[in-house]
Amino acid sequence: GAVVSQHPSRVICKSGTSVKIECRSLDFQATTMFWYRQFPKQSLMLMATSNEGSKATYEQGVEKDKFLINHASLTLSTLTVTSAHPEDSSFYICSAPRLGSAGEQYFGPGTRLTVT
Amino acid sequence: AQSVTQPDIHITVSEGASLELRCNYSYGATPYLFWYVQSPGQGLQLLLKYFSGDTLVQGIKGFEAEFKRSQSSFNLRKPSVHWSDAAEYFCAVEKSKGGGADGLTFGKGTHLIIQP
Repeated sequence: GAVVSQHPSRVICKSGTSVKIECRSLDFQATTMFWYRQFPKQSLMLMATSNEGSKATYEQGVEKDKFLINHASLTLSTLTVTSAHPEDSSFYICSAPRLGSAGEQYFGPGTRLTVT
Repeated sequence: AQSVTQPDIHITVSEGASLELRCNYSYGATPYLFWYVQSPGQGLQLLLKYFSGDTLVQGIKGFEAEFKRSQSSFNLRKPSVHWSDAAEYFCAVEKSKGGGADGLTFGKGTHLIIQP
């Protein structure tokens, strides 16, 4: 079946540096992908919608200059956390809609970001 | 704006016993509703979904859920739980019900513990 992958699965970076997280749809094309953030033992919160060929749409309260999203191709979306700080430490999850099944999405396994 | 409430943060059930996880939603129209399960180290897996039609929906792993419009609820049930069902369960609603894919709004999740 369709699979969404994320790379890396874990990353530790120093405060002030930038980190890029990749989200790939492995056997299907995704013109839209979604990025979520999950704090420990909490829910997933939608951060932004990644659109192939156009700008991402960010949810209210999400800093677009801090969380840069690029949908480079029909199978790849990247989230770059710029000038990361410890409060950016979180679990980041991407998803891609399943074609022909309204509302249903495939989720990646997530990326654990730790900023020291 | 839509919202999802899962009133139970933790639920402990004995193996073989029945299970019901509660979910209430707030939405202006009939929503697209989902139940996902999250196990450590794995991506969210869709258990079942409701779009329209029969209000009792069957899912994978023996789960079912019933949509009750009058109560704005979409509770998840299983007649007999197995130790492998221990996980985090999320109820979700599609962010907006349009023609294309949209992000999901999640409840805070219910952590299911199975007692031997």
